[in-house]
Amino acid sequence: DAKTTQPNSMESNEEEPVHLPCNHSTISGTDYIHWYRQLPSQGPEYVIHGLTSNVNNRMASLAIAEDRKSSTLILHRATLRDAAVYYCILSRFTGANNLFFGTGTRLTVIP
Amino acid sequence: NAGVTQTPKFQVLKTGQSMTLQCAQDMNHEYMSWYRQDPGMGLRLIHYSVGAGITDQGEVPNGYNVSRSTTEDFPLRLLSAAPSQTSVYFCASSYSSTVIYGYTFGSGTRLTVV
Repeated sequence: DAKTTQPNSMESNEEEPVHLPCNHSTISGTDYIHWYRQLPSQGPEYVIHGLTSNVNNRMASLAIAEDRKSSTLILHRATLRDAAVYYCILSRFTGANNLFFGTGTRLTVIP
Repeated sequence: NAGVTQTPKFQVLKTGQSMTLQCAQDMNHEYMSWYRQDPGMGLRLIHYSVGAGITDQGEVPNGYNVSRSTTEDFPLRLLSAAPSQTSVYFCASSYSSTVIYGYTFGSGTRLTVV
């Protein structure tokens, strides 16, 4: 099964960009790359997803390596509200659109 | 829109008791699922449904039953609660079961089994 590897934790200063890395060296050609985040005491929240090309939305940008073996979630300007656990997930098609979560990266934002 | 609503938010059960965790969504989403999250761990998939009348098992289905009689509701039943089922339970929904769309999660039910 394709798995992802993320650092356990990262720190960032407020109002600076944050680059959250994810390695997925065994990704298959049909796997999408998803990012979710979970704020304290809340359910996970969708951030962004992509297949091959870089993606941008109002929350973040997703940069995908050309060989697709790694990706980076970019928060352009970290705020205290961005402190959360960030999950990088590969979709594994089991006949349904199921997502399988790992342990993620805990992002701390320093004022 | 309310999104995904889970009730109750907190529950304490005694070992052997039964209960149903409720999950309702008002977005006409086809796909719904249940996850559990234990301390310091990611979410693990319990059961999922790709539409009314259709359910299937996820990674950790033992001890849990589900049914989906309507598009809106996807209850999770614990028939005989065990301390190992102490966890935070999250319900999620998505527009489609086969096309990649983002999930919407509920705010969770924190269950303690004593």
